[in-house]
Amino acid sequence: DTGVSQDPRHKITKRGQNVTFRCDPISEHNRLYWYRQTLGQGPEFLTYFQNEAQLEKSRLLSDRFSAERPKGSFSTLEIQRTEQGDSAMYLCASRPGLAGHTDTQYFGPGTRLTVL
Amino acid sequence: AQTVTQSQPEMSVQEAETVTLSCTYDTSENNYYLFWYKQPPSRQMILVIRQEAYKQQNATENRFSVNFQKAAKSFSLKISDSQLGDTAMYFCALDGFEGGGSNYKLTFGKGTLLTVNP
Repeated sequence: DTGVSQDPRHKITKRGQNVTFRCDPISEHNRLYWYRQTLGQGPEFLTYFQNEAQLEKSRLLSDRFSAERPKGSFSTLEIQRTEQGDSAMYLCASRPGLAGHTDTQYFGPGTRLTVL
Repeated sequence: AQTVTQSQPEMSVQEAETVTLSCTYDTSENNYYLFWYKQPPSRQMILVIRQEAYKQQNATENRFSVNFQKAAKSFSLKISDSQLGDTAMYFCALDGFEGGGSNYKLTFGKGTLLTVNP
């Protein structure tokens, strides 16, 4: 299967700890997105990469959050000094990006973060 | 800012019957795309159907079809011959160029939990 993959699928951490999530997009997809989904809500945009360049960050992405896509392939999302309010599902999506915005975003299974 | 509203938090339907999920949206753009995504319990989000705003013809995908009313900014999903496997959270999403941003991004509604009963 060559879909979007995310690791880990579940993460439980204590408040104040740092966590890092990984996303592997579909091969040759040059656009990669991170979203956050809390219980009972739809996903909310966090940040977007085109190849290795981070082109946009949401106001939701506080200074404790950082994302990278060093070689334009996989991406990591790090949360420093986690807070209980960071508990959510973190979704990654990718799209080819070859036809402007007309292509579809494909989602990974998500990483569920629980901060105790 | 673009917004998406799903006014039905939960719906249920009997197997083999037809159900319609509602979605309204708001955007100042003329070119945009609309999607319905399905998120089964504890499983990942998958695309159900998409609609380009410049197309007047409603999109169909097997048992799934949409009623796209651009002037009214309405985008409903009809599921015919409902199956047990259709039980999931359904999200309406708008893919548009939100003002102040630099790219098209998805804005989601809060979702409708659809339960198909045997």
